[in-house]
Amino acid sequence: GENVEQHPSTLSVQEGDSAVIKCTYSDSASNYFPWYKQELGKRPQLIIDIRSNVGEKKDQRIAVTLNKTAKHFSLHITETQPEDSAVYFCAASKGRDDKIIFGKGTRLHILP
Amino acid sequence: GAGVSQSPRYKVAKRGQDVALRCDPISGHVSLFWYQQALGQGPEFLTYFQNEAQLDKSGLPSDRFFAERPEGSVSTLKIQRTQQEDSAVYLCASSFSRPSEAFFGQGTRLTVV
Repeated sequence: GENVEQHPSTLSVQEGDSAVIKCTYSDSASNYFPWYKQELGKRPQLIIDIRSNVGEKKDQRIAVTLNKTAKHFSLHITETQPEDSAVYFCAASKGRDDKIIFGKGTRLHILP
Repeated sequence: GAGVSQSPRYKVAKRGQDVALRCDPISGHVSLFWYQQALGQGPEFLTYFQNEAQLDKSGLPSDRFFAERPEGSVSTLKIQRTQQEDSAVYLCASSFSRPSEAFFGQGTRLTVV
């Protein structure tokens, strides 16, 4: 079955700098890649997603890139702010009739 | 309702006790997922429904875990003879169609003592 690897497990960046989180997946049939943000004690919430028919998607300070050949996808957060501190999860799915498999998460700390 | 609702929010069970966790998905959402999230870990897939059909239960850790969604709406995750390793947050998520955003509930924090 699908396996999603995520790294780093912890990331600290200075406020205003950029943060990059990387994931790999194992099943080449996966075609949907969401990213979730989870604050302490709260539910995971979708921040951005990408489908396999595009290589990049951007939403304000957040962007995601996808390399289908290498089975890599990455989350980029620019101009980081204190409220970006949270745990971020990448995930992969084959779409219809399939489950969503999550990575183990990256704890992002934004340093003042 | 406005979002995915789970009950109870917190459950303390004595080892060996049976528990039932409820999930009310967003109205009209076809897909429903159950996940187990241990402290500091990512959500681990348990099972997945499309309407009332349980399409995948490969993540259920043992035959003590059972899930149902008889009318294609509300779902119940049942754990029989709970053990300490069952302690975790159990998250439910639903989505309208696939692949699309899955909305999570607040989770049920289960503590087995």
